[in-house]
Amino acid sequence: GAVVSQHPSRVICKSGTSVKIECRSLDFQATTMFWYRQFPKQSLMLMATSNEGSKATYEQGVEKDKFLINHASLTLSTLTVTSAHPEDSSFYICSARGFAGNYGQPQHFGDGTRLSIL
Amino acid sequence: AQKITQTQPGMFVQEKEAVTLDCTYDTSDQSYGLFWYKQPSSGEMIFLIYQGSYDEQNATEGRYSLNFQKARKSANLVISASQLGDSAMYFCAMREIGGSNYKLTFGKGTLLTVNP
Repeated sequence: GAVVSQHPSRVICKSGTSVKIECRSLDFQATTMFWYRQFPKQSLMLMATSNEGSKATYEQGVEKDKFLINHASLTLSTLTVTSAHPEDSSFYICSARGFAGNYGQPQHFGDGTRLSIL
Repeated sequence: AQKITQTQPGMFVQEKEAVTLDCTYDTSDQSYGLFWYKQPSSGEMIFLIYQGSYDEQNATEGRYSLNFQKARKSANLVISASQLGDSAMYFCAMREIGGSNYKLTFGKGTLLTVNP
């Protein structure tokens, strides 16, 4: 089945550091990638949608200057949390979707990144 | 606006028994897709099953089946012959129609615990 790789799986760093998270589709070309944030015992909250070669579309309330998203190729999207602070600590998870055509094609998720800002 | 409601924060089931996880949705779209995902404690999201709004038959995937009642706007997940490894968080999600990005809206989830 479709595989999405997310790296790193866990990050612990000091306040003020910028952290980059990578999301790669390994065996398919991802026209669209999604970035979610999940707090403990809560649901996934969509942060932004990125299409290859174009600017990401951010959900309301998500700071685009804080969470920089780059989707430079059909297999790679990155999320950079700039000048991270303790309140940015969370579980971040990406998903990818291939070319349109299959109406029921699911999003395939990476394994997530646990970010802890000290 | 779309909305997914999962009214069961937690469910318990005995091993080998069947369990139904509830999901209701609200949309004005005629075309939409409904998905169920499983999230173990390790965090990854595992796709389980899909139901399209125009599918006449309920979807089935192994031990998973989706009880789709369109008029009631419900899409309950049925897990048959529960196993200890089924203990996880389960999320119902709906795909947004309009545009080409196929965004998903998730419910709050149901934590399923399978007891031996």
